[in-house]
Amino acid sequence: QKEVEQDPGPLSVPEGAIVSLNCTYSNSAFQYFMWYRQYSRKGPELLMYTYSSGNKEDGRFTAQVDKSSKYISLFIRDSQPSDSATYLCAMMNQAGAGSYQLTFGKGTKLSVIP
Amino acid sequence: GAGVSQSPRYKVAKRGQDVALRCDPISGHVSLFWYQQALGQGPEFLTYFQNEAQLDKSGLPSDRFFAERPEGSVSTLKIQRTQQEDSAVYLCASTQGASNQPQHFGDGTRLSIL
Repeated sequence: QKEVEQDPGPLSVPEGAIVSLNCTYSNSAFQYFMWYRQYSRKGPELLMYTYSSGNKEDGRFTAQVDKSSKYISLFIRDSQPSDSATYLCAMMNQAGAGSYQLTFGKGTKLSVIP
Repeated sequence: GAGVSQSPRYKVAKRGQDVALRCDPISGHVSLFWYQQALGQGPEFLTYFQNEAQLDKSGLPSDRFFAERPEGSVSTLKIQRTQQEDSAVYLCASTQGASNQPQHFGDGTRLSIL
């Protein structure tokens, strides 16, 4: 079992829908939780960065972290065709003195249909 | 430049050749990371530099992989005696300070080994 599990999809939704993306993890040492968006042939772009359990909102995006269940989510409201991309969850733990490592999920490919 | 810059964008090499991939982090960024992203997978950590010091190289898959950052800015990832399984996108990321800060990625070098 991988440390971070993410359903690769693909996920297809109509424009305007609410999108829910999820990841589960097994490593209790993960301290920081992120969501990245990656367009084809581009590098990952940071969307959300959280430390504690709870919700964090930024525009149409809401990130949720539930450390007790080892479960994180990203919600996208009023989805747009420009949101079509691969969404990667990522988690960070301390690997050594002053060194943190980022572990990614496989990514979920999202298509928003006009 | 404004973002992380990687060159070349595409590299094709024959099996057994050596390759060198370059990363220009955001100006002034202290921490620099290399990742390997196979097709349909999330990025996987290779190595981490704080300034010129390589603090973590636990993700390098074999001793054919070598990274350096001699002056604490530009970094080079070198792969010797390339194998077909080295074909992947190699991503570079940087953070302004400590390694637990949000990472900003370049668009990667797509390496194909024939």
